[in-house]
Amino acid sequence: GDSVTQMEGPVTLSEEAFLTINCTYTATGYPSLFWYVQYPGEGLQLLLKATKADDKGSNKGFEATYRKETTSFHLEKGSVQVSDSAVYFCALSGLNTNAGKSTFGDGTTLTVKP
Amino acid sequence: DAGVTQSPTHLIKTRGQQVTLRCSPKSGHDTVSWYQQALGQGPQFIFQYYEEEERQRGNFPDRFSGHQFPNYSSELNVNALLLGDSALYLCASIKRLAGEETQYFGPGTRLLVL
Repeated sequence: GDSVTQMEGPVTLSEEAFLTINCTYTATGYPSLFWYVQYPGEGLQLLLKATKADDKGSNKGFEATYRKETTSFHLEKGSVQVSDSAVYFCALSGLNTNAGKSTFGDGTTLTVKP
Repeated sequence: DAGVTQSPTHLIKTRGQQVTLRCSPKSGHDTVSWYQQALGQGPQFIFQYYEEEERQRGNFPDRFSGHQFPNYSSELNVNALLLGDSALYLCASIKRLAGEETQYFGPGTRLLVL
């Protein structure tokens, strides 16, 4: 079945550092890929998405590129802020299903220190 | 525009009891998905409702059941509660636009089974 593997955390960075959170997936066909962010005490918010190979999703300075050859969708940000501290989830939805039936990774906790 | 709302926010039950959780989707969203998020893990898909019927189901036992009302709101029912059912239960409503689907999550209901 479908699965998502995320880089284990937690990740602690200083403000303005470069961020990479690795995500690889296993799925049949050509899934859509997502990054969600969860702030303390809140539900998940969609951060960015990509629906086909080589697509780049971007939002709020975060980027991720859909790499079919390496089955990866790594999240990057050039300069993190304290407000980026949260849990980040990589997810996929498979072909012929929909975004409402997504498979999630276990999340990576990011802490950014001033 | 109100977001996805869930009630109650927190709930404490004992083993063997039954629980009902409620979700109101965003205005105009006719599809609702439910997820279970155990502590330190990513959300796991329980089931999805569309047009008042269960459309897809994840790997959860029949103790988990649901319902969707004509106004698109939804309920998740769990019977014969087990300690392992303690988790954050997330509801997501689905927006469809130009052939793509986007999930919008509520804040969740945190269930503790003692």
